[in-house]
Amino acid sequence: AQSVSQHNHHVILSEAASLELGCNYSYGGTVNLFWYVQYPGQHLQLLLKYFSGDPLVKGIKGFEAEFIKSKFSFNLRKPSVQWSDTAEYFCAVNANSGNTPLVFGKGTRLSVIA
Amino acid sequence: NAGVTQTPKFRILKIGQSMTLQCAQDMNHNYMYWYRQDPGMGLKLIYYSVGAGITDKGEVPNGYNVSRSTTEDFPLRLELAAPSQTSVYFCASSYPGLALQETQYFGPGTRLLVL
Repeated sequence: AQSVSQHNHHVILSEAASLELGCNYSYGGTVNLFWYVQYPGQHLQLLLKYFSGDPLVKGIKGFEAEFIKSKFSFNLRKPSVQWSDTAEYFCAVNANSGNTPLVFGKGTRLSVIA
Repeated sequence: NAGVTQTPKFRILKIGQSMTLQCAQDMNHNYMYWYRQDPGMGLKLIYYSVGAGITDKGEVPNGYNVSRSTTEDFPLRLELAAPSQTSVYFCASSYPGLALQETQYFGPGTRLLVL
């Protein structure tokens, strides 16, 4: 069975600081990888996704993530965070074959302070 | 398009009561999902459906039932509410095709409190 680990439960950053949120997954086969964001009081929205090809994926709002197959990782990055990035971030994975639903990590809460 | 809609937004139930959480989507998505979100635990899949008339259990199906009589609707039923079912419930849907590779679109959620 697949599993997803997000190492940081809560991250606090000042505006303009750089962000990196860790995500590791366990699965032996080919996977699809996602980062979703949940702004306060809102529902989940897709930030970016990786299916195949270039392992560096660019998403909305200046976010990017890099798939490193050898490390089973898909870390999320942003060079300069803004107050409006305050949200909860979820990494998710599913197997790239058959009928397998998404498995989500526990989430990382990001608080950006002025 | 309204996207994925859920009703009610918030509900308080007494132990042993039953209720149905409604979910509808107007994007002609084949795949629909129900998740629960507990603090610090991420999202857990309850049930999902790959099309009308077809449903499958997810990671945490106990205490819940679903049906999918139409493409648009995917209601979640709680028969005997328990305090452990206090949670926020999200419905999601995704495009047809290689559906599980596709982006899932989420509804706004239903906050359920069982006392």
